[in-house]
Amino acid sequence: AQSVAQPEDQVNVAEGNPLTVKCTYSVSGNPYLFWYVQYPNRGLQFLLKYITGDNLVKGSYGFEAEFNKSQTSFHLKKPSALVSDSALYFCAVRDPNDYKLSFGAGTTVTVRA
Amino acid sequence: EPEVTQTPSHQVTQMGQEVILRCVPISNHLYFYWYRQILGQKVEFLVSFYNNEISEKSEIFDDQFSVERPDGSNFTLKIRSTKLEDSAMYFCASRTRTGGRGETQYFGPGTRLLVL
Repeated sequence: AQSVAQPEDQVNVAEGNPLTVKCTYSVSGNPYLFWYVQYPNRGLQFLLKYITGDNLVKGSYGFEAEFNKSQTSFHLKKPSALVSDSALYFCAVRDPNDYKLSFGAGTTVTVRA
Repeated sequence: EPEVTQTPSHQVTQMGQEVILRCVPISNHLYFYWYRQILGQKVEFLVSFYNNEISEKSEIFDDQFSVERPDGSNFTLKIRSTKLEDSAMYFCASRTRTGGRGETQYFGPGTRLLVL
């Protein structure tokens, strides 16, 4: 069965600094990987996905993620974080043979001014 | 931009009561999902629905749960006799088709269910 792990419960960065949220995956076959963000009292908002192609994926709000097959990772990055990026971030994976998403535990990002 | 909507945003019920959570998926979407998130835990898959039938369901989705698409727009999750452990945030999601942009599931804002 597919799974993802987010090793950090919390990430704290200063505004303007680079932001990285880590995710590693475990699937049989080629993975379909997703990042979602959840703001307080809001639903899960789609940020970006990797299906195939370039290992660097660009998404919404200036976020990007790098797919690394040898390290089985799909880390989310933003070159310059904003206070408004403070939220809960979820990595998710879909096995190619299975359409349900399996989510990580989530990482709370706090960007201080 | 089209969005998935869910009602109610909050629901409080007594143990043993039936609840129906409602979702309106994005209008041209064909695949529908329910997930739930117990407070402090992961988002978990419950069920997927396509062409008026369940495609897949998790172990959580037992006989107390059912889903229905009663008309062309609504997608509902019914819990027949709620238990304390059903307290969670329930998310509806939908997507268009297989492949490419159709791979993305779009989520609603959730219904927070509290069973007392």
